[in-house]
Amino acid sequence: EVQLVESGGGLIQPGGSLRLSCSASGFTFSAYTMHWVRQAPGKGLEYVSSISSNGGDTYYADSVKDRFTISRDNSKNTLFLQMTSLRAEDTSVYYCMKDDGFDYWGQGTLVTVAS
Amino acid sequence: IQMTQSPSSLSASVGDRVTITCRASQGISNFLAWFQQKPGKAPKSLIYAASSLQSGVPSNFSGSGSGTDFTLTISSLQPEDFATYYCLQYHSYPLTFGPGTKVHIK
Repeated sequence: EVQLVESGGGLIQPGGSLRLSCSASGFTFSAYTMHWVRQAPGKGLEYVSSISSNGGDTYYADSVKDRFTISRDNSKNTLFLQMTSLRAEDTSVYYCMKDDGFDYWGQGTLVTVAS
Repeated sequence: IQMTQSPSSLSASVGDRVTITCRASQGISNFLAWFQQKPGKAPKSLIYAASSLQSGVPSNFSGSGSGTDFTLTISSLQPEDFATYYCLQYHSYPLTFGPGTKVHIK
């Protein structure tokens, strides 16, 4: 059974940093591009970032470019999102999503940026 | 690439045929997916490649379109279909979602 489990969310002050993780199981993690998507409270879905299967190519939304870094450890089947210079508008539930039809999503982890 | 959806919300009854439209600001071939989201839950994939139904998704869901104009059709609305629906273009990075269409009970 495919599972994606996010962790690392929490309450953080503006300007702070946080690292999210997404632990994958039930499929060959190293074969797939992976994505991060977020959703602010009461709002729609927003694309955040993507990483190719071997980690060689990364992509970002303009809203997070130069502040967030996506990475992966294929030996540990884990996807990461390092978030720095956090702002109130980064407050969202963060989901990881598997490519290839986008058929699997994690349950999400809530990041709240507030003082 | 900007994505728009219409309508932003609609009211319908069980058994109704519902059509949601998604439009891309430039051609995206068939690199279009549809998702359903219920409150407090992660999105669920319905359709990819504009018209390919995900495994396990009921056949009353269908997708069509190519280029810039796409539709999601629910042929006979069921109680469990009341939710918000999003389209996603994955033709090029950054990926972009439509703003969503909320389907309410009439």
